Amino acid sequence: SQQGEEDPQALSIQEGENATMNCSYKTSINNLQWYRQNSGRGLVHLILIRSNEREKHSGRLRVTLDTSKKSSSLLITASRAADTASYFCAPSSGTYKYIFGTGTRLKVLA
Amino acid sequence: NAGVMQNPRHLVRRRGQEARLRCSPMKGHSHVYWYRQLPEEGLKFMVYLQKENIIDESGMPKERFSAEFPKEGPSILRIQQVVRGDSAAYFCASSPGTGGDQPQHFGDGTRLSIL
Repeated sequence: SQQGEEDPQALSIQEGENATMNCSYKTSINNLQWYRQNSGRGLVHLILIRSNEREKHSGRLRVTLDTSKKSSSLLITASRAADTASYFCAPSSGTYKYIFGTGTRLKVLA
Repeated sequence: NAGVMQNPRHLVRRRGQEARLRCSPMKGHSHVYWYRQLPEEGLKFMVYLQKENIIDESGMPKERFSAEFPKEGPSILRIQQVVRGDSAAYFCASSPGTGGDQPQHFGDGTRLSIL
């Protein structure tokens, strides 16, 4: 298991703009997952990308994975106020033990 | 389809008391994980359980903390003789299997405050 490091720590954008956040990790992975946490709530799984995939889409979300750079990015297009939350990545070597970083706190201003 | 249910949502205890946090996994899930989150931090893994078995408790403090997942009923995280430093949000997650490509589904947590 290993920890993902999200960057930036905080991001503030206007509604309708795109938001990009990044995740770096240290060792090889089987997959990487992104989660969202709204204030006062638990984590919600957003998307999983496998190590043999380079890009994946889900609605307004686009995730990329560069295993040579050991990094991933999450792009939220046409952001909404409801996207305001903390976003965490979870790199996985194939086990259950996720080590979450401190996340990216996204604030979308209406 | 009910998600992961945790109760209570908020729990206040005085120093020295016991705290019991309950977690009912999603239907069909037999794997349960507990995490602790301090303010402005990420979730820290505490323990992984299957029915009647503790599989990995490497993230649990050595003293005062215990967890169980009985054959019947919810998983319980128990903290004895609580101290101020135990104040945190405790999250439970469940999954149908242990493969790293099976997302964990989280409850909304129990916020524990120690007076």
